[in-house]
Amino acid sequence: ETGVTQTPRHLVMGMTNKKSLKCEQHLGHNAMYWYKQSAKKPLELMFVYNFKEQTENNSVPSRFSPECPNSSHLFLHLHTLQPEDSALYLCASSQERMNYGYTFGSGTRLTVV
Amino acid sequence: TQLLEQSPQFLSIQEGENLTVYCNSSSVFSSLQWYRQEPGEGPVLLVTVVTGGEVKKLKRLTFQFGDARKDSSLHITAAQTGDTGLYLCAGEGDMRFGAGTRLTVKP
Repeated sequence: ETGVTQTPRHLVMGMTNKKSLKCEQHLGHNAMYWYKQSAKKPLELMFVYNFKEQTENNSVPSRFSPECPNSSHLFLHLHTLQPEDSALYLCASSQERMNYGYTFGSGTRLTVV
Repeated sequence: TQLLEQSPQFLSIQEGENLTVYCNSSSVFSSLQWYRQEPGEGPVLLVTVVTGGEVKKLKRLTFQFGDARKDSSLHITAAQTGDTGLYLCAGEGDMRFGAGTRLTVKP
């Protein structure tokens, strides 16, 4: 039980599909993050939300659209993705921008076909 | 952006051996964290080091923060197959990780 739950664990989608990834945390954290992890690449920070407000967008293409309705939930909406977007998408949370470390979910393994 | 460089990138050893992996930066961090990630899972926080020169022990794992707070090392004594994984470091406040050291411990 990590305290951060991501669904689905696996997702296969076509390039014309629209899908959403969900992240939920029950730790009372105020900051939530999306990371992308591709093979042979380090963890790439995508988006940061602090107290529900987006505080960082790391030059992510618009085909990725985040949503943070409250401090416990974070979504990543996907549309018209490319095969190179296939990766492990990780959600993390922390108490106010990583003062005490991140808690990660198990990730969603996304395959774009 | 504070760049974190981890070395070695890959390490394959036999069970029972000792090893050290490194995390280096040109920037000063107020604290630094180590994580271990197993295949198909998210990284799990192992330790946070805060004070320059600090040494923390977690069973067979020993973490050290450099005196200048720009670098850190992780030493594993008598490695076990369960230590296999990707070891990542991250500096506080930067939200970015090093590329990691992929450790394989063979039986």
